[in-house]
Amino acid sequence: QSALTQPPSASGSPGQSVTISCTGTSSDVGGYNFVSWYQQHPGKAPKLMIYEVSKRPSGVPDRFSGSKSGNTASLTVSGLQAEDEADYYCSSYAGSNNLIFGGGTKLTVL
Amino acid sequence: EVQVVESGGGLVKPGGSLRLSCAASGFTFSSYSMNWVRQAPGKGLEWVSSISSSGNYIYYADSVKGRFTISRDNAKNSLYLQVNSLRADDTAVYYCARVYGDWRVGMDVWGQGTTVTVSS
Repeated sequence: QSALTQPPSASGSPGQSVTISCTGTSSDVGGYNFVSWYQQHPGKAPKLMIYEVSKRPSGVPDRFSGSKSGNTASLTVSGLQAEDEADYYCSSYAGSNNLIFGGGTKLTVL
Repeated sequence: EVQVVESGGGLVKPGGSLRLSCAASGFTFSSYSMNWVRQAPGKGLEWVSSISSSGNYIYYADSVKGRFTISRDNAKNSLYLQVNSLRADDTAVYYCARVYGDWRVGMDVWGQGTTVTVSS
Protein backbone atom coordinates (compact mmCIF):
# COMPACT_ATOMS: atom_id res chain seq x y z
CA GLN A 1 0.00 0.00 0.00
CA SER A 2 1.16 3.53 -0.75
CA ALA A 3 1.38 6.14 1.95
CA LEU A 4 -1.47 8.58 2.37
CA THR A 5 -0.87 12.01 0.80
CA GLN A 6 -0.48 15.03 3.07
CA PRO A 7 0.78 18.52 2.22
CA PRO A 8 4.38 18.90 3.43
CA SER A 9 3.61 22.12 5.23
CA ALA A 10 0.80 24.31 6.54
CA SER A 11 0.78 27.54 8.47
CA GLY A 12 -1.41 30.04 10.23
CA SER A 13 -1.28 32.93 12.64
CA PRO A 14 -2.25 32.64 16.31
CA GLY A 15 -6.02 32.53 16.68
CA GLN A 16 -6.61 31.47 13.09
CA SER A 17 -7.80 28.09 11.84
CA VAL A 18 -5.84 25.74 9.63
CA THR A 19 -6.91 22.52 7.92
CA ILE A 20 -4.58 19.67 6.97
CA SER A 21 -5.73 17.19 4.36
CA CYS A 22 -4.99 13.48 4.08
CA THR A 23 -5.83 11.86 0.76
CA GLY A 24 -6.06 8.16 0.18
CA THR A 25 -8.19 5.83 -1.88
CA SER A 26 -11.44 3.90 -1.57
CA SER A 27 -9.33 1.02 -0.21
CA ASP A 28 -8.21 2.93 2.85
CA VAL A 29 -9.51 6.37 3.89
CA GLY A 30 -12.65 6.10 1.79
CA GLY A 31 -13.41 2.53 2.75
CA TYR A 32 -13.20 2.62 6.53
CA ASN A 33 -13.87 4.99 9.41
CA PHE A 34 -10.52 4.10 10.97
CA VAL A 35 -8.72 7.39 10.34
CA SER A 36 -6.58 8.79 13.14
CA TRP A 37 -4.35 11.82 13.54
CA TYR A 38 -1.15 12.21 15.55
CA GLN A 39 0.80 15.25 16.71
CA GLN A 40 4.56 14.97 17.08
CA HIS A 41 6.82 17.63 18.50
CA PRO A 42 10.54 17.46 17.60
CA GLY A 43 12.32 14.68 19.43
CA LYS A 44 9.10 13.51 21.08
CA ALA A 45 6.78 10.56 20.70
CA PRO A 46 3.58 10.95 18.68
CA LYS A 47 0.36 11.84 20.49
CA LEU A 48 -3.10 10.64 19.45
CA MET A 49 -5.29 13.65 18.64
CA ILE A 50 -8.22 12.17 16.68
CA TYR A 51 -9.46 8.61 16.18
CA GLU A 52 -12.25 7.08 14.12
CA VAL A 53 -12.28 10.15 11.84
CA SER A 54 -13.67 12.67 14.31
CA LYS A 55 -13.45 11.46 17.90
CA ARG A 56 -11.16 13.11 20.43
CA PRO A 57 -9.44 11.21 23.25
CA SER A 58 -9.91 12.74 26.67
CA GLY A 59 -7.52 15.58 27.29
CA VAL A 60 -7.29 16.72 23.66
CA PRO A 61 -8.61 20.28 23.29
CA ASP A 62 -11.81 20.72 21.30
CA ARG A 63 -9.86 23.10 19.06
CA PHE A 64 -8.84 19.94 17.23
CA SER A 65 -11.47 18.37 14.99
CA GLY A 66 -11.52 15.74 12.28
CA SER A 67 -13.72 14.97 9.32
CA LYS A 68 -13.84 12.90 6.14
CA SER A 69 -15.30 13.32 2.69
CA GLY A 70 -14.85 10.53 0.20
CA ASN A 71 -11.21 9.52 0.08
CA THR A 72 -9.93 12.60 1.92
CA ALA A 73 -9.75 13.10 5.66
CA SER A 74 -9.06 16.45 7.28
CA LEU A 75 -7.75 17.75 10.58
CA THR A 76 -8.76 21.28 11.55
CA VAL A 77 -7.00 23.21 14.27
CA SER A 78 -9.00 26.23 15.38
CA GLY A 79 -7.74 29.11 17.51
CA LEU A 80 -4.11 28.29 16.68
CA GLN A 81 -1.69 28.49 19.57
CA ALA A 82 2.10 28.48 19.58
CA GLU A 83 2.20 25.00 21.12
CA ASP A 84 0.29 23.58 18.15
CA GLU A 85 3.43 23.96 16.05
CA ALA A 86 4.43 20.36 15.33
CA ASP A 87 4.34 17.61 12.73
CA TYR A 88 0.96 16.00 12.12
CA TYR A 89 0.43 12.53 10.70
CA CYS A 90 -2.75 10.86 9.52
CA SER A 91 -3.24 7.11 9.58
CA SER A 92 -5.84 4.78 8.13
CA TYR A 93 -6.70 1.13 8.11
CA ALA A 94 -6.01 -0.09 4.58
CA GLY A 95 -7.69 -3.48 4.60
CA SER A 96 -5.93 -6.86 4.59
CA ASN A 97 -4.67 -6.21 8.14
CA ASN A 98 -2.58 -3.21 7.18
CA LEU A 99 -2.24 0.26 8.67
CA ILE A 100 -0.75 3.11 6.66
CA PHE A 101 0.40 6.60 7.56
CA GLY A 102 0.62 9.82 5.65
CA GLY A 103 3.94 11.47 4.97
CA GLY A 104 3.35 14.13 7.60
CA THR A 105 2.61 17.86 7.59
CA LYS A 106 4.74 20.42 9.37
CA LEU A 107 2.44 23.00 10.94
CA THR A 108 4.02 26.40 11.53
CA VAL A 109 2.40 29.01 13.75
CA LEU A 110 3.48 32.34 12.30
CA GLU B 1 1.28 6.56 35.59
CA VAL B 2 0.40 4.81 32.36
CA GLN B 3 3.58 4.28 30.35
CA VAL B 4 5.56 2.05 28.04
CA VAL B 5 9.34 2.01 27.89
CA GLU B 6 11.30 0.52 25.00
CA SER B 7 14.81 -0.94 25.14
CA GLY B 8 17.13 -3.16 23.15
CA GLY B 9 18.09 -0.93 20.26
CA GLY B 10 21.66 -0.47 19.09
CA LEU B 11 24.13 -0.56 16.23
CA VAL B 12 24.07 -3.77 14.20
CA LYS B 13 25.63 -4.89 10.93
CA PRO B 14 23.51 -5.68 7.88
CA GLY B 15 22.09 -9.16 8.22
CA GLY B 16 22.24 -8.99 12.00
CA SER B 17 19.54 -9.37 14.64
CA LEU B 18 18.21 -7.62 17.71
CA ARG B 19 15.42 -8.17 20.21
CA LEU B 20 13.50 -5.05 21.14
CA SER B 21 11.55 -4.97 24.39
CA CYS B 22 8.76 -2.80 25.72
CA ALA B 23 7.90 -2.72 29.41
CA ALA B 24 4.38 -1.59 30.25
CA SER B 25 3.14 -0.20 33.54
CA GLY B 26 0.19 1.64 35.02
CA PHE B 27 -2.48 -0.29 33.10
CA THR B 28 -3.76 -3.83 32.66
CA PHE B 29 -1.37 -4.86 29.89
CA SER B 30 -3.16 -8.14 29.17
CA SER B 31 -6.31 -6.23 28.13
CA TYR B 32 -4.75 -4.27 25.29
CA SER B 33 -3.52 -4.96 21.80
CA MET B 34 -0.10 -3.47 21.15
CA ASN B 35 1.72 -2.12 18.10
CA TRP B 36 5.26 -1.40 16.97
CA VAL B 37 5.72 1.70 14.80
CA ARG B 38 9.02 2.96 13.41
CA GLN B 39 10.36 6.25 12.15
CA ALA B 40 13.44 6.49 9.96
CA PRO B 41 15.67 9.54 10.51
CA GLY B 42 13.92 12.64 9.22
CA LYS B 43 11.05 10.58 7.83
CA GLY B 44 7.45 9.81 8.68
CA LEU B 45 5.83 7.10 10.76
CA GLU B 46 5.52 3.51 9.51
CA TRP B 47 3.38 0.82 11.14
CA VAL B 48 5.42 -2.36 11.68
CA SER B 49 3.34 -4.93 13.54
CA SER B 50 0.33 -5.53 15.80
CA ILE B 51 -0.50 -8.19 18.36
CA SER B 52 -3.84 -8.78 20.06
CA SER B 53 -4.22 -8.80 23.82
CA SER B 54 -4.03 -12.58 24.00
CA GLY B 55 -1.35 -12.89 21.32
CA ASN B 56 -3.68 -14.89 19.10
CA TYR B 57 -3.84 -12.34 16.30
CA ILE B 58 -0.65 -10.98 14.77
CA TYR B 59 -0.18 -8.73 11.76
CA TYR B 60 2.88 -7.39 9.95
CA ALA B 61 3.68 -4.75 7.39
CA ASP B 62 4.79 -6.27 4.09
CA SER B 63 8.18 -4.58 4.49
CA VAL B 64 9.05 -6.70 7.55
CA LYS B 65 7.05 -9.88 6.99
CA GLY B 66 9.25 -12.95 7.34
CA ARG B 67 12.04 -11.02 9.08
CA PHE B 68 10.41 -9.57 12.21
CA THR B 69 8.47 -11.42 14.91
CA ILE B 70 6.22 -9.76 17.47
CA SER B 71 5.40 -11.45 20.77
CA ARG B 72 4.25 -10.64 24.27
CA ASP B 73 4.44 -12.00 27.81
CA ASN B 74 1.38 -10.83 29.71
CA ALA B 75 2.76 -12.22 32.98
CA LYS B 76 5.74 -9.88 32.61
CA ASN B 77 3.77 -6.94 31.14
CA SER B 78 6.16 -6.98 28.22
CA LEU B 79 6.06 -6.70 24.44
CA TYR B 80 8.86 -7.82 22.16
CA LEU B 81 10.00 -7.45 18.57
CA GLN B 82 12.60 -9.86 17.24
CA VAL B 83 14.21 -8.22 14.24
CA ASN B 84 16.29 -10.44 11.93
CA SER B 85 18.04 -10.06 8.57
CA LEU B 86 18.37 -6.35 9.20
CA ARG B 87 18.91 -3.98 6.29
CA ALA B 88 20.04 -0.38 6.10
CA ASP B 89 16.46 0.75 5.50
CA ASP B 90 15.43 -0.75 8.85
CA THR B 91 17.39 2.04 10.56
CA ALA B 92 14.81 3.91 12.63
CA VAL B 93 13.45 4.76 16.02
CA TYR B 94 11.14 1.94 17.03
CA TYR B 95 8.14 2.90 19.13
CA CYS B 96 5.97 0.63 21.22
CA ALA B 97 2.36 1.87 21.37
CA ARG B 98 -0.80 0.81 23.16
CA VAL B 99 -3.84 0.33 20.97
CA TYR B 100 -6.95 2.37 21.77
CA GLY B 101 -9.68 -0.25 21.51
CA ASP B 102 -9.82 -2.13 18.20
CA TRP B 103 -6.30 -2.43 16.78
CA ARG B 104 -7.30 -0.36 13.77
CA VAL B 105 -8.60 2.59 15.79
CA GLY B 106 -5.43 4.29 16.94
CA MET B 107 -2.60 4.30 19.47
CA ASP B 108 -3.00 6.31 22.66
CA VAL B 109 0.12 5.55 24.72
CA TRP B 110 3.58 5.74 23.15
CA GLY B 111 7.05 5.20 24.50
CA GLN B 112 10.03 7.41 23.74
CA GLY B 113 11.41 4.84 21.33
CA THR B 114 14.57 2.80 20.95
CA THR B 115 16.98 3.45 18.11
CA VAL B 116 18.11 0.75 15.71
CA THR B 117 21.01 1.61 13.42
CA VAL B 118 21.99 -0.85 10.70
CA SER B 119 25.43 -0.10 9.31
CA SER B 120 28.64 -1.88 8.48
